[in-house]
Amino acid sequence: AQKITQTQPGMFVQEKEAVTLDCTYDTSDPSYGLFWYKQPSSGEMIFLIYQGSYDQQNATEGRYSLNFQKARKSANLVISASQLGDSAMYFCAMRASYNTDKLIFGTGTRLQVFP
Amino acid sequence: NAGVTQTPKFQVLKTGQSMTLQCAQDMNHEYMSWYRQDPGMGLRLIHYSVGAGITDQGEVPNGYNVSRSTTEDFPLRLLSAAPSQTSVYFCASTIGGGSRYEQYFGPGTRLTVT
Repeated sequence: AQKITQTQPGMFVQEKEAVTLDCTYDTSDPSYGLFWYKQPSSGEMIFLIYQGSYDQQNATEGRYSLNFQKARKSANLVISASQLGDSAMYFCAMRASYNTDKLIFGTGTRLQVFP
Repeated sequence: NAGVTQTPKFQVLKTGQSMTLQCAQDMNHEYMSWYRQDPGMGLRLIHYSVGAGITDQGEVPNGYNVSRSTTEDFPLRLLSAAPSQTSVYFCASTIGGGSRYEQYFGPGTRLTVT
């Protein structure tokens, strides 16, 4: 079954520290993609980072990096040097095959950054 | 370049009423989709379109219709609103293929059905 699992409903991190948000996935297709989105309290969905299943290196975008471990079917988001503005909901999502444009979302993790 | 726009931002309907949520994008993306977001459930795909004239059902299509007459517009119609359709609705447009893929979301429409 195609599924995304985020097991951390909430996480706390101190400003300037790094934090890892967990995401595991399940798909039977060898060609797939994994995404992370940020949803601040204002409600918009902000694309953060994307990793294709054949990408050799872990994706990075500024302070965001995706720790992609294919054998473990995990795609954890690492945020380095957390900022107060990072406080938000974070969703992991999967494009289960290169033959589809449909995304499957996890239930999200609420990150709170404290001073 | 406005990206993905949605109207209205907020809407209150009575049970049984119908309405159309508007979505438009100016990035010439072929693929567009509608999601609903309920508390604690992430986003679920309602309908999607891979190009003008082509639509298909997602995970939760019942009670909704879509059409795609142009590349730019992808309206979502609620046929007979029910309280279970109270949710936040997001439209998205997508570019990419293979190992490169970007999806852009509109700001959302918060719908309440009483």
